[in-house]
Amino acid sequence: DTGVSQNPRHKITKRGQNVTFRCDPISEHNRLYWYRQTLGQGPEFLTYFQNEAQLEKSRLLSDRFSAERPKGSFSTLEIQRTEQGDSAMYLCASSSPGLAGGPGNEQFFGPGTRLTVL
Amino acid sequence: AQSVTQLDSQVPVFEEAPVELRCNYSSSVSVYLFWYVQYPNQGLQLLLKYLSGSTLVKGINGFEAEFNKSQTSFHLRKPSVHISDTAEYFCAVSDRYSGGYQKVTFGTGTKLQVIP
Repeated sequence: DTGVSQNPRHKITKRGQNVTFRCDPISEHNRLYWYRQTLGQGPEFLTYFQNEAQLEKSRLLSDRFSAERPKGSFSTLEIQRTEQGDSAMYLCASSSPGLAGGPGNEQFFGPGTRLTVL
Repeated sequence: AQSVTQLDSQVPVFEEAPVELRCNYSSSVSVYLFWYVQYPNQGLQLLLKYLSGSTLVKGINGFEAEFNKSQTSFHLRKPSVHISDTAEYFCAVSDRYSGGYQKVTFGTGTKLQVIP
C-alpha cells in the first residue's frame, strides 16, 4: 500500500492557461474524491467517483472544471482558462466501500497539488 | 445542509500541557463526526471518528474526543502534548444518510502550536 499519490505537487501557471492534475488512489479503493483547500479554510468537497462513474458534483465545480476517472483507477482534474481565484490546494482522497447504507470507510488523502495562478 | 465551526484558529500550548480544540456542528439529521490532522505540505490523516455507540472516542497519538449531542459539540483533547503534535487540526461532519458515501464537510481548522 503506497498510499494516495498526486502529481504534480506544485503547479504555477498564468491566468487563462489550462492545467491538469492526476490522482492515483490506493489500488483496491473504488471511491475517489476531489477537494479544494484555500488558505485558512478547510477542504471543500468538489466531486465524487464510484469506480468510473462521477456520482456527485459540487456547485463549486464550475463549467471550467472537469474530472474524469476513465477506467475506475486514476483520476484527472482539469481546469480550463484558469483564474487567480483558482489558486488553492487540490486534494484527492480514496476509500473502499463500507456496509450498504453506512458511512463508507475512512478516506485516505493524498499530499495535494498546490496551484498558483499568476 | 451541515456545517462545522472551529472557533479557535490558533491554539498555542506549552509542551506536556493538556489541550482542547473546540468543534461545534450544525445538522438537521444524524451525523458522523471526524477529526483530521494535517502536517505541513501533507494531506489529511484521520485522528478519530464517531459513528455511534460510546460518546468518548479514542484515536491515534493519544487524542480523544467526546460527542455531546445536546451541545452539538465534538471537542478534541489530549492530556499532554508533544512538539510533534504541532499541526493543523480539522473537525468534520458527514451526513448519516448521504447515499452510502462520505460527503464530508470540514471546519476551517485550528493550528496547534506546541511551545517547547
